[in-house]
Amino acid sequence: QVQLVQSGSELKKPGASVKVSCKASGYTFTSYAMNWVRQAPGQGLEWMGWINTDTGNPTYAQGFTGRFVFSLDTSVSTAYLQISSLEAEDTAVYYCARGRHSARSTWFLDYWGQGTLVTVSS
Amino acid sequence: SYVLTQPPSVSVAPGQTAWISCGGNNIGSKSVHWYKQEPGQAPLLVVYDDSGRPSGIPERFSGSNSGNTATLTISRVEAGDEADYYCQVWDGNSDHYVFGTGTKVTVL
Repeated sequence: QVQLVQSGSELKKPGASVKVSCKASGYTFTSYAMNWVRQAPGQGLEWMGWINTDTGNPTYAQGFTGRFVFSLDTSVSTAYLQISSLEAEDTAVYYCARGRHSARSTWFLDYWGQGTLVTVSS
Repeated sequence: SYVLTQPPSVSVAPGQTAWISCGGNNIGSKSVHWYKQEPGQAPLLVVYDDSGRPSGIPERFSGSNSGNTATLTISRVEAGDEADYYCQVWDGNSDHYVFGTGTKVTVL
C-alpha cells in the first residue's frame, strides 16, 4: 500500500534552518510528482509547490521562493523540504502529498504524509 | 490568481444531508477535487474529478459541478463526517494547485 512517512516535529529558533523528510513506499517513487502543502495553525491548506521526482526539477508557488528548497534522494525514495532563515510565521504543519494526473487532465493529491509540525520560537 | 470560496461552516443533524459549496469563476469548466480533514489528521481525498470516489470512500459522498459552483454532498450524515472539507482545482493558467478556503462541518 502507498505510504508517505514524514519526519518528526521540529522546534527551531528564528534564523535557523530545518529539513523535513518524506519517505515514500508502496509505489515507484519516480513515477509520481511530490507536492508540499503548508497549514498554519488554525488556517487552511496552502500549496507550496512540487518537485518532479524523475528529473528533480522543482516548481515553487508564489510566496515560497528563496528560502524554500525541494530536493530528492531517489535511492531511498525520499523527498525533502528545507526552509532557511526561519521566521515565526513559518510555524505550521508541513505535508508532503503525491500528485496524481487525472483522466480529465488535471491534478489532485491522492496520498498524503502525516504532517510535520515545525515550530519557530525563541 | 484563481480563487475558490467556501462557506466557513455547515451544521447538519445526523442522518440528514450536508451540502458544501465551492465557488469559483466558471468553475464548471474545471475539475474539482475534495478533501476531508479531521482534527489533527492529514487531509484525505474523498472526491476527484467532480464526482469520482477513491477506493474506500463511502457512496454517501458525492460531488457535482456546474456554472460557478461545485458542491460536495454528504448523505445520511454520521458523527464521523465531522471535519473540515476543502475543494481544490488545478489552475492551468498558472500550473498551480488552488485550494478553497475550507468548510467546517459540524454534526449536531
